[in-house]
Amino acid sequence: AQSVTQLGSHVSVSEGALVLLRCNYSSSVPPYLFWYVQYPNQGLQLLLKYTSAATLVKGINGFEAEFKKSETSFHLTKPSAHMSDAAEYFCAVSGPSAAGNKLTFGGGTRVLVKP
Amino acid sequence: GAGVSQTPSNKVTEKGKYVELRCDPISGHTALYWYRQSLGQGPEFLIYFQGTGAADDSGLPNDRFFAVRPEGSVSTLKIQRTERGDSAVYLCASSSDDGELFFGEGSRLTVL
Repeated sequence: AQSVTQLGSHVSVSEGALVLLRCNYSSSVPPYLFWYVQYPNQGLQLLLKYTSAATLVKGINGFEAEFKKSETSFHLTKPSAHMSDAAEYFCAVSGPSAAGNKLTFGGGTRVLVKP
Repeated sequence: GAGVSQTPSNKVTEKGKYVELRCDPISGHTALYWYRQSLGQGPEFLIYFQGTGAADDSGLPNDRFFAVRPEGSVSTLKIQRTERGDSAVYLCASSSDDGELFFGEGSRLTVL
């Protein structure tokens, strides 16, 4: 069985400040890990994914995440927040397959960016 | 269009009624997925199609829920005897062989 825990359902950051969204996972098999972003009234969009290659993964819009097996974590960061980063972010895990089928999602973290 | 299309975008129905939600995947994508997102929660897996067949329907909550994909393209999620607890956003996604999922904007179902 797999599960994902996202610490903090809401995060507020100032424009230009570091964005840090926490994700911890549980998986009985080597995981594939994903971060998705959901803007209001839009579908989920893939930010980045970890598929057992480099542990530091760079994604779109300046985001990156680091896979730490010893901590079972996959935290998402962005050095400098922009107003356009206001959205809900979901961490997800799947089994050891390139396919993202049967993703297990965390509860999401809503990011508010203050001017 | 180039993306995953879901209709209707909003559906309000009464308890006990039958509902159909449609998903039109990206052309050429062989895999299609349905997820359900309740308010304040992350999406939950419902069912996964590879071609015309349901490869994994372990997420369907009960036998009131059923999904089909008769020609390996468009899929319909069917909910019988709707209950207030079925109110959620139903998300559809499709993927090609490389596995990245592309999500539609969802169908918001409200059961009164």
